[in-house]
Parts: sequence; C-alpha cells; structure tokens
Amino acid sequence: AAGVIQSPRHLIKEKRETATLKCYPIPRHDTVYWYQQGPGQDPQFLISFYEKMQSDKGSIPDRFSAQQFSDYHSELNMSSLELGDSALYFCASSHWGLGIGELFFGEGSRLTVL
Amino acid sequence: DAKTTQPNSMESNEEEPVHLPCNHSTISGTDYIHWYRQLPSQGPEYVIHGLTSNVNNRMASLAIAEDRKSSTLILHRATLRDAAVYYCILRDVAGTASKLTFGTGTRLQVTL
Repeated sequence: AAGVIQSPRHLIKEKRETATLKCYPIPRHDTVYWYQQGPGQDPQFLISFYEKMQSDKGSIPDRFSAQQFSDYHSELNMSSLELGDSALYFCASSHWGLGIGELFFGEGSRLTVL
Repeated sequence: DAKTTQPNSMESNEEEPVHLPCNHSTISGTDYIHWYRQLPSQGPEYVIHGLTSNVNNRMASLAIAEDRKSSTLILHRATLRDAAVYYCILRDVAGTASKLTFGTGTRLQVTL
C-alpha cells in the first residue's frame, strides 16, 4: 500500500541558508501534519493543513512557512536556518472520512545545519 | 490539551506479555485514547485507540479503566521488534484534522 513520501530524506545546509521539505500524502488523504523531532526529543507539532487550508498551528518558528497544494502535497519552507533547526522532520497524513483518521507518518527528512 | 503520564522506561523478556500504563486524570468526554509507537529511526505508527470499552486488534489490546482516568496497552507476546517508544495520547476528535500532541512516552526494551 502507498505510504507517505517525504523528500529529500537527508539534507545538509549551512547557517542562514534556506531549505524546503516536501511531503506527498497517501492518496485520498486530505490532511497533512508536520512534526519536528530534535535529537533525543519527542515529536513536536508544527502545523497542519486540511483541504489546503491551515487547520492548526503549533510551535512553528516565524522563519518557517508551509502550504498544501491543490494535489494535496505539502511543502515546509525554512529560512535563515539555525543550528537548532537540525532535526528529523516528519510529515503525516490522514483522512477523516476513512476510519478514525489515524495519522500515517512518513520516514522523515533529516536536516543537518552546519 | 489534556496530559498523559507514562513511565519513562520498561523492560520485558521476549515472548512475555507487556503492560504499558498511562494515566490521564484530566481526560474529557470527547477525548479518545490513542497509542502510537516509534521504532528507532522511523516515524511514529498507530497502534490502537479507544474511547470507553476495551479494544483488541492484531497488534495489541487496550484496557480502559471504568472512570477513563487511566489505560493500559497490552502487548500479548513481546518480540525484539516491539522495542520502541510507546506514546499514549489523548485526541479530541470533536473537530476535524485533530493533531496528535506527543508527550514523553515509555521506552520499551525487549531482551532475549
């Protein structure tokens, strides 16, 4: 079965650079969530989109922005990167009309800021 | 969001049952109890969920206290592949696109 696809899987950037992470949800899923997981930390919710509109916002820095496109894929844009942004970034998708809307997570994108 | 409390870590021998407890004394009437787990270097994955009644699926069982202030995830026969961090999460599904808020889960170690 198709899963959530994230790209790139690994990304290395310098401080103050910009990075873009992409997320392709499971077909027919209408909701996308972004999470950040620092080393030894638990996943922290950043932002979510339902039907291409922002539905909830967590501890997302102002330097970060995200959107969900007409094909339901989502992109997380991170600017003025800082060392502390080094983390695993997970995307998850769900569909409220299917089951109980459990979240399906991708394998993550590992961002390293040097 | 209502909070949950779990032990930081637990150990189990392979092929023995494991009972992972979770306290959620401030649970509200619209909160479902969800369990997710995260294997090393992987994204979290759904395990099971329930509202009031005990639940069983192919992965685990969920026992919910009558007052709903606590629950227990039961792995009937732990294997080495069950070594992971297990998160007990309350999720209000009254609205759409409800997020998951991860707390500090229980790191389960399984030994031979």
